[in-house]
Amino acid sequence: DQQVKQNSPSLSVQEGRISILNCDYTNSMFDYFLWYKKYPAEGPTFLISISSIKDKNEDGRFTVFLNKSAKHLSLHIVPSQPGDSAVYFCAASDDKIIFGKGTRLHILP
Amino acid sequence: DTGVSQDPRHKITKRGQNVTFRCDPISEHNRLYWYRQTLGQGPEFLTYFQNEAQLEKSRLLSDRFSAERPKGSFSTLEIQRTEQGDSAMYLCASSLGFGYTFGSGTRLTVV
Repeated sequence: DQQVKQNSPSLSVQEGRISILNCDYTNSMFDYFLWYKKYPAEGPTFLISISSIKDKNEDGRFTVFLNKSAKHLSLHIVPSQPGDSAVYFCAASDDKIIFGKGTRLHILP
Repeated sequence: DTGVSQDPRHKITKRGQNVTFRCDPISEHNRLYWYRQTLGQGPEFLTYFQNEAQLEKSRLLSDRFSAERPKGSFSTLEIQRTEQGDSAMYLCASSLGFGYTFGSGTRLTVV
């Protein structure tokens, strides 16, 4: 039973455009949501998070939006850069972090 | 402190052998987590410790798996009688409160 779902295994975006990665969750008790980025042969690295009491958090080129009524969150990256090519994991936290399956983002030159 | 360290980075073992992995967390972090990641999947929770106490174990953690954190610092994850299905990346993470810092993982291949 997947509590955190990323339905797009991959996404290709032109350099300079906006990348939008989506995530759905089922457990309304999650109190924090996070995005992690992973390069090959490395562990996931923390990117940005949002508390369940907020609907938006912004950090530079990265913005996370939370829609609690829809149990949906999204990560916006603008403008997209070549170094953003990686696998992005959506995650949710109660007392431990539960990850989605990831979306592989390709930034095209 | 340079972050979370995992050793070895890679391990190839024959089916039926025992393997042990080590994780050294960030020194002031009291929580330590083990995850497993297979191809096309996100990291799956296995177990976690607060100091030396093991507080939760996933049902993914069969009887062949055991984890310890004897002094509340480093942790070991042992897999006995390895099976081909155990082939995966084993990730360790530590935290002091909110948010984890992951190590680079140990890639296990069972042949």
